[in-house]
Amino acid sequence: EVQLLESGGGLVQPGGSLRLSCVVSGFTFSSYVMNWVRQAPGKGLEWVSTIVNIDETTYYADSVKGRFTISRDDRRNTLSLQMNSLKAEDTAVYYCAKGTHSSAWDPFDYWGQGTLVTVSS
Amino acid sequence: QSVLTQPPSASGTPGQRITFSCSGSSSNIGGNTVNWYQQLPGTAPKLLIYSDHQRPSGVPDRFSGSKSGTSASLAISGLQSEDEADYYCASWDDSVNGWVFGGGTKLTVL
Repeated sequence: EVQLLESGGGLVQPGGSLRLSCVVSGFTFSSYVMNWVRQAPGKGLEWVSTIVNIDETTYYADSVKGRFTISRDDRRNTLSLQMNSLKAEDTAVYYCAKGTHSSAWDPFDYWGQGTLVTVSS
Repeated sequence: QSVLTQPPSASGTPGQRITFSCSGSSSNIGGNTVNWYQQLPGTAPKLLIYSDHQRPSGVPDRFSGSKSGTSASLAISGLQSEDEADYYCASWDDSVNGWVFGGGTKLTVL
């Protein structure tokens, strides 16, 4: 059974940092592209970042570029998102999502349950 | 403002057929495939349709997708109460070099 489990969310002050993790099981992590998608309270889905498995090419939404860093550890089956210089508008539930294959433009076929990040003083 | 445009709400009665629209541009829908996600209340999104019209295993054939030019549609036939959810379209966008989502359509089953 495919499982994705996010952790690391919490309350952080504006300008602060947080590191999210997503531990996966049930599939060969190293064979798939991985993504982060967020959803602000009461709002729609917003793509955050993508990391390709083959060469670890990364992609970022303009709203987080230069502040967030996506990474993966294929030995530990773990996807991470390092978030720096956090702003109030980064407040959201953050989901990790598995791609169907190895391309950045492959759809997301499995999602975690999400972890809530709240940026507030 | 979302890059892909979806109506914010829709409603239907059990058994009815309903369609949702998703409008984009040549850099996203016009040049790449469209995926649809269903988000039931309080849960994570689920892949409903991929590559414009393909259904993942386990998705009932009541759900169907289509695309024409820079617009896409999701149709649900034989509407059921458990279909009440938010529906999002998404497509890769060559201009932003990333994914873009629609704002979502909230379906109410009356």
